[in-house]
Amino acid sequence: NAGVMQNPRHLVRRRGQEARLRCSPMKGHSHVYWYRQLPEEGLKFMVYLQKENIIDESGMPKERFSAEFPKEGPSILRIQQVVRGDSAAYFCASSPLASNTEAFFGQGTRLTVV
Amino acid sequence: ELKVEQNPLFLSMQEGKNYTIYCNYSTTSDRLYWYRQDPGKSLESLFVLLSNGAVKQEGRLMASLDTKARLSTLHITAAVHDLSATYFCAVDRSAPDKLIFGTGTRLQVFP
Repeated sequence: NAGVMQNPRHLVRRRGQEARLRCSPMKGHSHVYWYRQLPEEGLKFMVYLQKENIIDESGMPKERFSAEFPKEGPSILRIQQVVRGDSAAYFCASSPLASNTEAFFGQGTRLTVV
Repeated sequence: ELKVEQNPLFLSMQEGKNYTIYCNYSTTSDRLYWYRQDPGKSLESLFVLLSNGAVKQEGRLMASLDTKARLSTLHITAAVHDLSATYFCAVDRSAPDKLIFGTGTRLQVFP
């Protein structure tokens, strides 16, 4: 049973480009969470999705950031027109259908904007 | 707004010594987690604490939860170098579910 899979592991983008981060949840998990970790800081919640629905996006920046979790395929975190301040580690976590269960984290995608 | 605070932020300790990391949170919560993170790596789940008075132990680490005081502790016994890492506590807010993380405690164990 593979864990939460994120790709790419490392991503380098020039300022103004788009970054697409992918997260495949664990088998049987339909809840996906995205977190951002700035250097030397803790993880900050960004968005919580279920299949085809955004449940809570209170942690998402208002502009340039979007997330989706389609019926088929991985969850995507998309950052348009990246800036240096977007450089961070982005972690995805997934949990099973039932609520109040532990979420499991992926290895993260480390985005560097140059 | 739920806030989670850890202290200390940095901890340098000698092998063989004991120490405690503290995690305070501001409102009631369903669950409290402790994670370990090595540099450049993901989070490794250490403990999940579900109820007042819960105590869990794994090797040299022991975690406890006092929901009335809104306090969790992570106690390190006879530290070894392999425990060097950053430790995070996180509180679960249901409806909708999301984790609120503490600031982390960077632990360094030296000979």
